[in-house]
Amino acid sequence: GAVVSQHPSRVICKSGTSVKIECRSLDFQATTMFWYRQFPKQSLMLMATSNEGSKATYEQGVEKDKFLINHASLTLSTLTVTSAHPEDSSFYICSARGRGTNTEAFFGQGTRLTVV
Amino acid sequence: AQTVTQSQPEMSVQEAETVTLSCTYDTSESNYYLFWYKQPPSRQMILVIRQEAYKQQNATENRFSVNFQKAAKSFSLKISDSQLGDTAMYFCAFFVGNQFYFGTGTSLTVIP
Repeated sequence: GAVVSQHPSRVICKSGTSVKIECRSLDFQATTMFWYRQFPKQSLMLMATSNEGSKATYEQGVEKDKFLINHASLTLSTLTVTSAHPEDSSFYICSARGRGTNTEAFFGQGTRLTVV
Repeated sequence: AQTVTQSQPEMSVQEAETVTLSCTYDTSESNYYLFWYKQPPSRQMILVIRQEAYKQQNATENRFSVNFQKAAKSFSLKISDSQLGDTAMYFCAFFVGNQFYFGTGTSLTVIP
């Protein structure tokens, strides 16, 4: 199957700093990328959807100025957590979907963010 | 509104036995795709099986099969000959309108 690479897998940062997480589709063009947040033992919570050629669409309650999403190319999307606080500590997962109506989304390995 | 319900937060099964995970969903759309994803302790989401809503035939993938009842909006996953490596969280999901909707997950433990 297609491969989505997400980096870093783990990051620890100080409160007030910014952290960038990358999501790359390695062998297909990702026309849509999704960013999720997952709390322990809970389901995936969609944060935003980024479609080719347009700005990200954020879900209600997700601060777009805090969670900056850039779909720089058809193979790369980044999530930047700005001015991180301990409550931003979580597991973040990206997924990417290619062209066509029957293509599934492939998930990155996830990023464990810890803000201290 | 699109919703996915997994009514079994936790389940266990003896190794080599069969287990069925339940999933119901609600949508007014007629064309959509259904998935079961597995999330082991590594937390990597792994596709287990997929089903196109327009297909009546139930999907199968080796030891994994689904019972898709479109009218009832039910999409259960059957795991046969359970293996220790099947221990994981299992998420039911459907895709419609360029968006995924996930259930709350079922934590499956395979007991040796």
